[in-house]
Amino acid sequence: ETGVTQTPRHLVMGMTNKKSLKCEQHLGHNAMYWYKQSAKKPLELMFVYNFKEQTENNSVPSRFSPECPNSSHLFLHLHTLQPEDSALYLCASSRRGGAATDTQYFGPGTRLTVL
Amino acid sequence: AQSVTQLDSQVPVFEEAPVELRCNYSSSVSVYLFWYVQYPNQGLQLLLKYLSGSTLVKGINGFEAEFNKSQTSFHLRKPSVHISDTAEYFCAVSGSGSGNTGKLIFGQGTTLQVKP
Repeated sequence: ETGVTQTPRHLVMGMTNKKSLKCEQHLGHNAMYWYKQSAKKPLELMFVYNFKEQTENNSVPSRFSPECPNSSHLFLHLHTLQPEDSALYLCASSRRGGAATDTQYFGPGTRLTVL
Repeated sequence: AQSVTQLDSQVPVFEEAPVELRCNYSSSVSVYLFWYVQYPNQGLQLLLKYLSGSTLVKGINGFEAEFNKSQTSFHLRKPSVHISDTAEYFCAVSGSGSGNTGKLIFGQGTTLQVKP
């Protein structure tokens, strides 16, 4: 596998379920990101990790819990979600965290539907 | 604070015609500018970026963009589009200077619809 992969590609869950999204990057990068993409809205940055340490939490509700065990893997744990959390969740990576000039490489996303 | 405005939500164009997708930004610091493309059911892919130097930037798939500091714009152009260019296009900005976290601020996106 190359680039940035995300699993699952589609997820339907009830408001009381607990699920996790997984992201893996095969690029040797040190920074990883979670974004939320809702219809007709700009991409919203949720979390940034640099060398496994969280460097940004963009006021995300606690029902979203990220985990970064190493520089290649990033998880987003979901619990007690609301229907308005339905969106495409994109993972990205870049060579360096905090480097404004670096290109971010995106995965294909997980389409989440909360019933 | 930084912000990005993409002036057109949808741009329909016929195949082989030229196209321009407009992007304006606001920032109190020097900026770096990016255009990303998102094909259906895929993630975002970098088309091109402006960091410094020549204001005309060439990217992949025949796209180019021009940085205009006085007009705070970074419009994307292609002289002749193909059906395969049908996609969502995002303009984004990040800021230079100390304390910058590499955070990208995205515009709302422009849907390019290429018709045969």
